[in-house]
Parts: sequence; C-alpha cells; structure tokens
Amino acid sequence: DARVTQTPRHKVTEMGQEVTMRCQPILGHNTVFWYRQTMMQGLELLAYFRNRAPLDDSGMPKDRFSAEMPDATLATLKIQPSEPRDSAVYFCASGPDPAWTEAFFGQGTRLTVV
Amino acid sequence: GQQVMQIPQYQHVQEGEDFTTYCNSSTTLSNIQWYKQRPGGHPVFLIQLVKSGEVKKQKRLTFQFGEAKKNSSLHITATQTTDVGTYFCAGRPGTASKLTFGTGTRLQVTL
Repeated sequence: DARVTQTPRHKVTEMGQEVTMRCQPILGHNTVFWYRQTMMQGLELLAYFRNRAPLDDSGMPKDRFSAEMPDATLATLKIQPSEPRDSAVYFCASGPDPAWTEAFFGQGTRLTVV
Repeated sequence: GQQVMQIPQYQHVQEGEDFTTYCNSSTTLSNIQWYKQRPGGHPVFLIQLVKSGEVKKQKRLTFQFGEAKKNSSLHITATQTTDVGTYFCAGRPGTASKLTFGTGTRLQVTL
C-alpha cells in the first residue's frame, strides 16, 4: 500500500531551535509539495519540486525556511530558527509525472513552537 | 498571485439535507481537484475535472467545473454523518504544476 511517509508526526520545540521535517514520497512520484496548514491561513503552498529541482518556493519565508530533496526518496523542510508563529501542521504530498493527477498527502507533522 | 476562495466557510446541516460548496478562482484553471479532510486527518483526493462545463458524479456527490474554468461546485445529496469534514478545491493555473488549495468549507452533519 503506497503512501507518503512523514516524520516526525509531532514535534514540540522551543523558540530559536532548529526543526527538520522529513518526507518520503511515493516511489516513482517525481513531484513533491510542502504545505502548511493553520486555522487562519488554511493550506498554504510553501514549496514544490519536480524531479528533485525546486520549481516554486515563493510561499516560503526565505530567511528561516529551507526545503531540499537530497535524493528521490527524501524531501526535507527545515526551519532555523523556529518561532511560535511557525506552529502548524506541515503536510508533504507527492504526485506522479505528468503532474496532472492527484496529490497524495502524508499524515503531516504537527509542530508546536513554545 | 492566484487566489482560490470557497464559500461558505462553514455549514451545519441535519442528516438528510443537501449541501453545496462553491469554489472561485481569480485566474483560469487548467483543471480543478476536490479533496476531503476529516478532522485530525490529511486531505484525500476525491476527483479531478478538466473540461469546461464538465459534470461528474460519485454516488451522492456531484462535481461541476464552470464554463469559464474559473469556478467549481461540489453538491452532496442527502448528507450523512460520514460526510463530516472539510472540503477543499484545488486548482492549477495554466500549464503550471503548482497546486493551489481553496480556503475550504467545513461541513458538520448532525442527526
């Protein structure tokens, strides 16, 4: 049963600490999305990759956020330093090529910055 | 940038009543998708519409894509408690792969 795997599922950290979230896309999918979900802003697209290359990260605060795909089986989203306003659920989703079909979401990482 | 709005934000219905959510984009979309997110869960794909004026049905759910490809709707007939969740539309502008989600409509169904 193919699925997108995200780790950790939950993370509580203190303000100023570095946070790294990981995502394993479905094997064979070459489009990867990072979304952030909050009550106020809904589902915001932070970044997306195609064939491991970043295509759009305009939704991501560049000063503290970074997203990478070191290889086809791993996508990472890093926040350094973290702030309380970063508290949210972060979803990774992957899709096959061509990227005109559904996006498969992971179960998310619930981040709380205190 | 592209904006995708949904109305209403929230709707509470009694089981058996119908429900409709509307999705409006500021730009023309190449296709539109609908997702359902249960409380505490993650978005799950329901359907994709590609053609102008397209209508698709899944059991009690009816999906429409507007003629101008800038709006869409999801209609649920005779809601059930299992329909509870937030319904999102998501669209791709032009030929871009970028998938932008709407603001969502949260549906509550009570007996």
